[in-house]
Parts: sequence; C-alpha cells; structure tokens
Amino acid sequence: DAGITQSPRHKVTETGTPVTLRCHQTENHRYMYWYRQDPGHGLRLIHYSYGVKDTDKGEVSDGYSVSRSKTEDFLLTLESATSSQTSVYFCAIRTGGYEQYFGPGTRLTVT
Amino acid sequence: KQEVTQIPAALSVPEGENLVLNCSFTDSAIYNLQWFRQDPGKGLTSLLLIQSSQREQTSGRLNASLDKSSGRSTLYIAASQPGDSATYLCAVNRDDKIIFGKGTRLHILP
Repeated sequence: DAGITQSPRHKVTETGTPVTLRCHQTENHRYMYWYRQDPGHGLRLIHYSYGVKDTDKGEVSDGYSVSRSKTEDFLLTLESATSSQTSVYFCAIRTGGYEQYFGPGTRLTVT
Repeated sequence: KQEVTQIPAALSVPEGENLVLNCSFTDSAIYNLQWFRQDPGKGLTSLLLIQSSQREQTSGRLNASLDKSSGRSTLYIAASQPGDSATYLCAVNRDDKIIFGKGTRLHILP
C-alpha cells in the first residue's frame, strides 16, 4: 500500500463549512495526487503536487485548494463545502517508476 | 485530449473461464499504462504496470498487453475465480497526470 493513510476516513459536514482532508505517506515520494470518484464519472484528478510547495490543478479543481508544506503530507481543503462535493476522495502517490499507489479513501457527505 | 474507454462496463463470467478486459486510449504518446482492481468500498490496488516500451506484463494468472500504435490494452485473467469479482480500471500516464477509464465491473459466477 506504499504507506499511504488518509484522514478522516468518513466525514459528514454541512453546506458552507470548510473541510480539510489529509493524506500522509511514509516513503518520501515526490508526487502526490488527490482524486474524487463518483458514479458515472470514474476517477477525476483534483490537484496534484510534484514537491514541497509545488502544486498544480487537475480537471476538477474548482472549489478545492491544496497545500504541501512537508514531503509526507498533502492536504485537500474545501473552502466552503457544497452538496456537489459529496464524493469519495482518494489520495495517491507516484513512484519513480511512474506507478501509482492509492490510499484507502475518505467518504465525504455534505448535507 | 486523452480519453480512456473500457468496454464493456460490466461482465459476468462462469467460474473457471478465461476472460479478457479491454482498454482503449486516444493518444498513443503515453509513458505507461497501469491496471488496477477496486473492490466495493475500497481503494484501488495496482495489478500491473506496462511501460511504453513493453508489450506485456504478467503476474500470476494475470497478463496485460499493450499496443500503443492501436491505442489498446487488454487484461487477460486465466481460470477465473469468484474472488476475482471486482471493478477493473486501466489508466494511462503521460506527463504528470494519469487518465483513468471508468472501469469494467466483473462478476464471476460460482
């Protein structure tokens, strides 16, 4: 599993509240990714990071921000959660051999 | 824009049969292609990674092939078992991003 953990694993929050999801890795991989998975849409890239303080947008980045102040942690923040952001969020790392490994996911419900 | 397609979306096969899952992509300029398995409510598990210079990779009962020129990959599963029931996703890697297909939901009938 490449030592990837996500917290929290489940969260229920109200519309308009800020939410931060955390991804932690133990193997010092440079690249980290945040995806969301929804029925009918598959996995879609939100943001990714290619080093400390180096991030870039994916295809569904609106409403999300990220931060990476340490190699091992990649945070995803929903500034003001909306019901359309109800989803399962996955973090992943990419190895030097370009192989991706995924965390267990966070199920977020916005009511 | 790279698009990845997996057909069929769902497949049911009797136990013991060999089967092939398909993945197609529109842009052949890829670094590699990766096959994943996802069980319900779980994360993705990496099965096989094929580099762009390779034609196939094998792991146990699984064999993945890659034909970049035609934009196709197949995942062959030999002697299927009920435990193989899951959703199988392929993903192509170019630059810093990976594009996923929507997966094939496989059900092995006991």
